[in-house]
Amino acid sequence: EVYLVESGGGLVKPGGSLRVSCEVSGFGVTDVYMNWVRQAPGKGLEWVGRINSKTGGGATNYAAPVKGRFIISRDDSKNTLWLEMNSLKIEDTALYYCIKEEIGGFDPWGQGILVTVSS
Amino acid sequence: QSALTQPPSASGSPGQSVTISCTGTSSDIGGYNFVSWYQQHPGKAPKLMIYAVNKRPSGVPDRFSGSKSGNTASLTVSGLQAEDEADYYCSSYAGSDNFVFGNGTQVTVL
Repeated sequence: EVYLVESGGGLVKPGGSLRVSCEVSGFGVTDVYMNWVRQAPGKGLEWVGRINSKTGGGATNYAAPVKGRFIISRDDSKNTLWLEMNSLKIEDTALYYCIKEEIGGFDPWGQGILVTVSS
Repeated sequence: QSALTQPPSASGSPGQSVTISCTGTSSDIGGYNFVSWYQQHPGKAPKLMIYAVNKRPSGVPDRFSGSKSGNTASLTVSGLQAEDEADYYCSSYAGSDNFVFGNGTQVTVL
């Protein structure tokens, strides 16, 4: 069975850093394209970034609001995806989801992990 | 990359059909057949309803259908049921390893 479990969220001050993880089961995290999507409280979905599969070159790309501050990586041995967030801003407050991408669709979705940036 | 444009709300009576539009540009919707749609109930994670413009994942009722014409994609829900009341989001691949979402449409079953 395929499932994704995000963890590591919490409260952080503006300018701070936080790393959230996504433990994957049912498939290899290096075998597929993986994405992070976030949803600010009461707002819509926003694509954050993507890491390509190993055969796809493993490149990463990010949305403009987070480029240069966020880093997506993965640990093959732990079958885990990471999102490292630096220079955090109040507007980064959101529920962060990691999702497997297939044929341009994101599925399945985990429960998400809440990141709150506040002084 | 600007968000795709969706109407803020749509509604219909049980049994009727409702269609939600999602307008982008030739750099996203118009340029690729990677449009997907998501249903989100309050307090729940989104659920994939349509991918690759008009493909349904297993388990999604055939009352849900997708299409695309030019820079606009559409999701139609036929035979509306009470449980279809939710927020719906479109998404499109936008080239160069980028994706973009729509701003969401709240569907109300009258």
